[in-house]
Amino acid sequence: GAGVSQSPSNKVTEKGKDVELRCDPISGHTALYWYRQSLGQGLEFLIYFQGNSAPDKSGLPSDRFSAERTGGSVSTLTIQRTQQEDSAVYLCASSAWTSNVELFFGEGSRLTVL
Amino acid sequence: KNQVEQSPQSLIILEGKNCTLQCNYTVSPFSNLRWYKQDTGRGPVSLTIMTFSENTKSNGRYTATLDADTKQSSLHITASQLSDSASYICVVSAQAGTALIFGKGTTLSVSS
Repeated sequence: GAGVSQSPSNKVTEKGKDVELRCDPISGHTALYWYRQSLGQGLEFLIYFQGNSAPDKSGLPSDRFSAERTGGSVSTLTIQRTQQEDSAVYLCASSAWTSNVELFFGEGSRLTVL
Repeated sequence: KNQVEQSPQSLIILEGKNCTLQCNYTVSPFSNLRWYKQDTGRGPVSLTIMTFSENTKSNGRYTATLDADTKQSSLHITASQLSDSASYICVVSAQAGTALIFGKGTTLSVSS
């Protein structure tokens, strides 16, 4: 596609439910990143994919968070047993490769856990 | 600890005026510094990327400067427009790959 596409744009869920957030990167981009942005805070790194592998998943806050990428393209971020502190905007970005290249961000998925 | 500090936290200016946003960092080793613009409810959009050897880079009315010795950067906006109202985020890369350190951003409001 022309840009990074994320879905859903908004998700309201009840505490304890599982949610899946999807990211469709720019075609041909091998690097894909997930970030979390809480109100008034900077972007928090979650996980990075190069192709289908995740060489750096150090930012995942707990074992309730997981992510996968298939076919070197679409990625899914899954949050199990959601908690209220998981409420945030989850941003996905892609780039052609790493090192000094521009990151292209999606519009984000706003998650609200009641 | 790698950190990126931005100031001011927020800023209100009149349309047509200039302004300068500051970014100080303690990230080491330094690879590059980026400025992003994030409109409300949107994803960040890149304005500039500067490496160690670059002191100034412009993108239209946006001019970024970098002093790698003092570990400071600034973003100067000339002849501000209402559409410049956004959050401006400074991002420093410690090394190629995933080590991007994000500042919390400066929220700019341009009023008529």
